[in-house]
Amino acid sequence: AQKITQTQPGMFVQEKEAVTLDCTYDTSDQSYGLFWYKQPSSGEMIFLIYQGSYDEQNATEGRYSLNFQKARKSANLVISASQLGDSAMYFCAMSKLIFGQGTTLQVKP
Amino acid sequence: NAGVMQNPRHLVRRRGQEARLRCSPMKGHSHVYWYRQLPEEGLKFMVYLQKENIIDESGMPKERFSAEFPKEGPSILRIQQVVRGDSAAYFCASIGQGNTEAFFGQGTRLTVV
Repeated sequence: AQKITQTQPGMFVQEKEAVTLDCTYDTSDQSYGLFWYKQPSSGEMIFLIYQGSYDEQNATEGRYSLNFQKARKSANLVISASQLGDSAMYFCAMSKLIFGQGTTLQVKP
Repeated sequence: NAGVMQNPRHLVRRRGQEARLRCSPMKGHSHVYWYRQLPEEGLKFMVYLQKENIIDESGMPKERFSAEFPKEGPSILRIQQVVRGDSAAYFCASIGQGNTEAFFGQGTRLTVV
């Protein structure tokens, strides 16, 4: 069985600073993928970034990067240069779209 | 992602009525997931379907809930005899080849009055 854990219910960050949102996972699969989604207050789920377990490099998409540490089973999302529009709920998920509990990020001006 | 279409966006039903939620996956995607989300909570997995096949329905209540994904047409999540506790946002996601992209529809917000 797969399990995703996001231990930070809420985070604050100052505008223009970087922030790391934690995600740890557990799986017995040799090959798997990790996803991050953003859910703003409007409710839609926005796909941000994907990391494959066999990808040699950490995934990056614009201001989003994934700090993938396979041995530690962690896949933390790093948002650089935070913007006010980054305030939202963020979810980590595994291959079969098993989701963590989410982290609410608030960006302060 | 605009490619995954869910309708209706909002659905109001009286207790005891049936609710039908539709999800059309992105073009080329043949797998669909359904989730339920209560306010201020995460997404709870309900069911995972391939065309004409239920792969995993472990998250779906045994009674009143059913899902299908026919060969032609959208995936349907059906809730019979709705109760107030069914009020939630229901999201579907479709997943593409290689499982490296998974996009969500905008959700259906079900309100049972």
